[in-house]
Amino acid sequence: GNSVTQMEGPVTLSEEAFLTINCTYTATGYPSLFWYVQYPGEGLQLLLKATKADDKGSNKGFEATYRKETTSFHLEKGSVQVSDSAVYFCARSPRAGNMLTFGGGTRLMVKP
Amino acid sequence: NAGVTQTPKFQVLKTGQSMTLQCAQDMNHNSMYWYRQDPGMGLRLIYYSASEGTTDKGEVPNGYNVSRLNKREFSLRLESAAPSQTSVYFCASSVDNYEQFFGPGTRLTVL
Repeated sequence: GNSVTQMEGPVTLSEEAFLTINCTYTATGYPSLFWYVQYPGEGLQLLLKATKADDKGSNKGFEATYRKETTSFHLEKGSVQVSDSAVYFCARSPRAGNMLTFGGGTRLMVKP
Repeated sequence: NAGVTQTPKFQVLKTGQSMTLQCAQDMNHNSMYWYRQDPGMGLRLIYYSASEGTTDKGEVPNGYNVSRLNKREFSLRLESAAPSQTSVYFCASSVDNYEQFFGPGTRLTVL
């Protein structure tokens, strides 16, 4: 079936450190890939997305590249801020539909 | 625009009680969804509605029922709550194959 696996957290970084959160997905069909962010006490917000191989999604300094050969969609940011502290979810959906399958979420904590 | 709204924000039930979680969106979206969020498991789809008048089961539908009352509203009902249904519930909506927009969630505790 369809699944998404992401690294368990929490991930604790100092401000301005480099961030990587790993995500891999099952390659059934040609899925679209997403990163969602959940700030404390809020619902999920779309952070970025990519719809085909080699696409790079980017937003707010975050980037992720759709890697078909490694079935990965790792989230990166060059310099994290305290305000980036949140839970990050990787997700996939089928190309011809909008049914999201989520990974388990990774909590990021950024210390000043 | 309020986006996706959910009521209530918090609820405590006793085992066997029933309740309905309400969701409304003002973005004229066709599709609406109910998810539950449990620690370490991400979000799992309970039910979804691709259009007014249609509903379909998701990954974890047992113990729940839904009603797509009109294009704006999609409710989730627990007929006989169980402790295993303690969770945070999120409603979302989308225009077909595009981005899903999420509500703020309902935190439900079943004692």
